[in-house]
Amino acid sequence: SQQGEEDPQALSIQEGENATMNCSYKTSINNLQWYRQNSGRGLVHLILIRSNEREKHSGRLRVTLDTSKKSSSLLITASRAADTASYFCATDGNANAGGTSYGKLTFGQGTILTVHP
Amino acid sequence: EAQVTQNPRYLITVTGKKLTVTCSQNMNHEYMSWYRQDPGLGLRQIYYSMNVEVTDKGDVPEGYKVSRKEKRNFPLILESPSPNQTSLYFCASSSFVGAPAYGYTFGSGTRLTVV
Repeated sequence: SQQGEEDPQALSIQEGENATMNCSYKTSINNLQWYRQNSGRGLVHLILIRSNEREKHSGRLRVTLDTSKKSSSLLITASRAADTASYFCATDGNANAGGTSYGKLTFGQGTILTVHP
Repeated sequence: EAQVTQNPRYLITVTGKKLTVTCSQNMNHEYMSWYRQDPGLGLRQIYYSMNVEVTDKGDVPEGYKVSRKEKRNFPLILESPSPNQTSLYFCASSSFVGAPAYGYTFGSGTRLTVV
């Protein structure tokens, strides 16, 4: 079953603009992760935010997590053409949820980001 | 180089002919997992393994088998492939030790076509 749902499904911007992608999920989590996938290739881990964290930065990436709303956002600042890819959020199960523990990584449908030069 | 290696990258096979997709990681990770990716359905977890000899079903385990006899290897076995198993498959691994601190490392994928 799909845990994370991303919004928007597709995003088209110009180089230098910021890109914001949102992810909503349904159940309690240990952590939420963001991945990038270039067409047909493997997923590359971008950033992980734990359930007790609210914001995290890594280079041009900023991730927020609101566990009360069960949502997260990924902001890519000063986008580049090389950022063109699909972006997925993935939630890792909650060890306290009885039965479901770490390792139950569930992905959203992804956001297709196109950055025009 | 730390990596997850899947083989083969591409495979075309016929219905019913048993096949194995191999997955190997060189990072001494405890956790390994298999996913399939289909248009409109995203990535779905097939099986995962928390450590040697410990495996569990994901969301779509039907038609698949796995084994974890060694820490580095986690092969995916299709005993009798069917056309609905045509998909892009990914293997992933992570260091566990209580919680994955750095996310999961994915292989480059295996594109399987069953005719």
